[in-house]
Amino acid sequence: QVHLVQSGAEVKKPGASVKVSCKASGYTFTGHYIHWVRQAPGQGLEWMGWINPDSGDTNSAQKFQGRVTMTRDTSISTAYMELRRLRSDDTAFYYCARDRGDYRLYWYFDLWGRGTQVTISA
Amino acid sequence: DIQMTQSPSSLSASVGDRVTITCRASQDINNYLAWFQQKPGKAPTSLIYAASSLQSGVPSKFSGSGSGTDFTLTINSLQPEDLATYFCQQYNSYPPTFGQGTRLEIK
Repeated sequence: QVHLVQSGAEVKKPGASVKVSCKASGYTFTGHYIHWVRQAPGQGLEWMGWINPDSGDTNSAQKFQGRVTMTRDTSISTAYMELRRLRSDDTAFYYCARDRGDYRLYWYFDLWGRGTQVTISA
Repeated sequence: DIQMTQSPSSLSASVGDRVTITCRASQDINNYLAWFQQKPGKAPTSLIYAASSLQSGVPSKFSGSGSGTDFTLTINSLQPEDLATYFCQQYNSYPPTFGQGTRLEIK
């Protein structure tokens, strides 16, 4: 079966960093871009960026540039999203999602992870 | 960024009903529109892409239509398990953006 399995919930202090993992199974990891999307409490969905697992190329939304780093380890089919200088308004569920495109960006997210809850609290 | 506006923000319907949710884009997005379902406490799941193409494994009770700026998601024969929030997303222009969601309640 095709799955994206994310790491567990995190509680961080303001100013700290968090790194969320997303392990793919059931498909060729390098064949599909991985996107990161977050959802703050009671809010809608917000796209953060993508990583090409094949090349390692990344692109992030302007809002997160300078604070987010996306990486991958192809040996274990896992993508990572690290967010630095955390603030209280970074409290959210963070989702990884697979791009439908085959070795290209299609921008439609056809498979989602179950999400990782990140709580920022002093 | 393209703004996506859904209506209604919430609705209540009975088992067996047919419901329609609307999504309007602030500019032409051709047919680059997707719909997602998010059940309470769960991750989003993909329903429809390219405005009207059903994601594999999604029951045919779900359908989408529209092009340009106005789109609809229709759910036929509503069942209790359809209780969820439904989001639209445009992927015509960078960055991809989402509607605020429509919360569907079952009477």
